[in-house]
Amino acid sequence: GENVEQHPSTLSVQEGDSAVIKCTYSDSASNYFPWYKQELGKRPQLIIDIRSNVGEKKDQRIAVTLNKTAKHFSLHITETQPEDSAVYFCAASRVSGGYNKLIFGAGTRLAVHP
Amino acid sequence: DAGVIQSPRHEVTEMGQEVTLRCKPISGHDYLFWYRQTMMRGLELLIYFNNNVPIDDSGMPEDRFSAKMPNASFSTLKIQPSEPRDSAVYFCASSRPGLSEQYFGPGTRLTVT
Repeated sequence: GENVEQHPSTLSVQEGDSAVIKCTYSDSASNYFPWYKQELGKRPQLIIDIRSNVGEKKDQRIAVTLNKTAKHFSLHITETQPEDSAVYFCAASRVSGGYNKLIFGAGTRLAVHP
Repeated sequence: DAGVIQSPRHEVTEMGQEVTLRCKPISGHDYLFWYRQTMMRGLELLIYFNNNVPIDDSGMPEDRFSAKMPNASFSTLKIQPSEPRDSAVYFCASSRPGLSEQYFGPGTRLTVT
């Protein structure tokens, strides 16, 4: 069945360093790949997404890359700050017609130390 | 826009009792999703609706769980009878059609003792 694997499960960096989180997906028909950030006790919120017709997307300090051939995508956070500390979830979806189901990875707990 | 609204925010109940969680999606959103989040199993999709019609309920764990969407502005997730292993945070989310963001509600933290 559909599956998304996410690594690492925990990541600890010093403030100012970069952080990279990687995900692989199983459904080759997936065409939408969002990343959600969840702070402690809060709801997941979208931080960036990428469609299958794009290889890379940037938004200030965050960027996502997609390799459709290898079926993997990554989140890159540069110049990390303590407020980046949270759990990050990747997801994949094969959006078509009435089908709109996100398959989430298990999450990565990022800790940014001052 | 008030965002997705969920109630109650916290629910503590005894095993065997019926629990009803409520959700009001963002106006104009055609899709509504119910998720369950636990440390062990992460974020799981339970069921989702398109235009008030259930599309995929394959994530509903067992017959004790049921969900309804009687109109475009209201959905319920019911657990009857509840069990301690149902303790989790339940999120409702809504979205427009196509490749679009899912907006999550604040969640309901359910504790079954």
